[in-house]
Order: sequence, then C-alpha cells, then structure tokens
Amino acid sequence: QLVESGGGLVQPGGSLRLSCVASGFAFRNYDMHWVRQAAGRGLEWVSAIGFAGDTYYPDSAKGRFTISRENAKNSLYLQMDSLRAEDTALYYCARRWSDAFDIWGQGTLVTVSS
Amino acid sequence: QSVLTQPPSVSGAPGQTVTISCTGGTSNIGAGYDVHWYRQLPRTAPKLLIYNNINRPSDVSDRFSGSKSGTSASLAITGLQAEDEADYYCQSYDISLSGAVLFGGGTKLTVL
Repeated sequence: QLVESGGGLVQPGGSLRLSCVASGFAFRNYDMHWVRQAAGRGLEWVSAIGFAGDTYYPDSAKGRFTISRENAKNSLYLQMDSLRAEDTALYYCARRWSDAFDIWGQGTLVTVSS
Repeated sequence: QSVLTQPPSVSGAPGQTVTISCTGGTSNIGAGYDVHWYRQLPRTAPKLLIYNNINRPSDVSDRFSGSKSGTSASLAITGLQAEDEADYYCQSYDISLSGAVLFGGGTKLTVL
C-alpha cells in the first residue's frame, strides 16, 4: 500500500513537499516514481528514484523538483520548488515492478494559484 | 501531445470486443521497450491491467489481453461489460529521453 500526503494550495513560485509512505512490501528493494494527472487530463511522469538512490526527471521537472527516499521510514518524497500554475494536478506515487507500475497511491492534490 | 498515440475514445456494446491501439516510434516501442496498460475508473488511481506486452496480473480478468508488433501495441477487451467503462492508458519508455517514462494520452471506453 502507498499513501501520499503533503498536497495543498500554494502560490506561484512557492514550494511544497509531498510524502508517500509504503507498507506491505520491502520498500528498499524497489524503484519508486511520482506520476501526476491534471484535472481531465492524462498521466504524466514526474520523477523516479532507483533503489540505489539514482534519480531521473523529465525536462518539465528538472531543476525544480527533487525526489528522495528514506528507506528506514519506508518513505518517498518530492520536493517541488518554483511551482507554476501548470503544476496543478493530483500527484501519485507508484511502485515500479517488472518495468510497470503495479502499486499506486490514492494521490495528493496540489493546487498552484494566487 | 503524447509520444505514444492512443485514440481519444472507443465504444462498444455489452458482449462485444474492442481494441485500443498505442502507436509509438523507433525510440520507444520500436526500440524494444515493453508496453504496459492501465485502467482508470473515475476518481480512482490507475490499475495495472497488462505488463510486459502480454502478461496479466493474477487479479485481472482473462477478458483483457495485450499484444505488441513493431512500433505499436494493442489492448483487447472481450465480452464488454458496463464496468469496463473507464480510461485506458498505455505506458512505455524512450531511449532518446534517457529512459524517460512515457504514457499514452489515454482512451475513454464507453459501453453503449
């Protein structure tokens, strides 16, 4: 199971830190990802972190978002800085398994607005 | 516009078979990356339906099947049921984007 938290309303240019707590599996052994979905839109990959701590981002997130993990707490994080209106979305954390995403959280809503 | 192209919508009557396509290119599906499929019911998180092109998780009905050929993949749903009405997404990776994760734009399935 994955449970996200930390979403909320933030002004443009502001920051927010999302969290995702895992349970029921050996979190430290899996790559983890963040995927977002704007209202009425499709899924968009946001970032990834390998079990060894290597990180990956699409161009839209590079330099603004930072993914991290704390295996001792079975936790995944996404630090989001310099937020823009277009970052408004429901943010999901997901477990990578056999190259697919087999476990998803329920999502946490981020709204960027003045 | 997504690198992986799906039809925006498909429809079918109960009991019929529908197919949803996912068209990529030589840097993603055509490069050998596997395709995965998800179903998303309204106001819920996506659920994995098919992984590695053709495989079903144990809790997914055998009415769902996947295939891949060249730069495209397809999801087939047989014996359509009302509860199949949902959004469906394909997913793969892209070698030109340093292994970035790609999602198709999604297909809305309507059961008539």
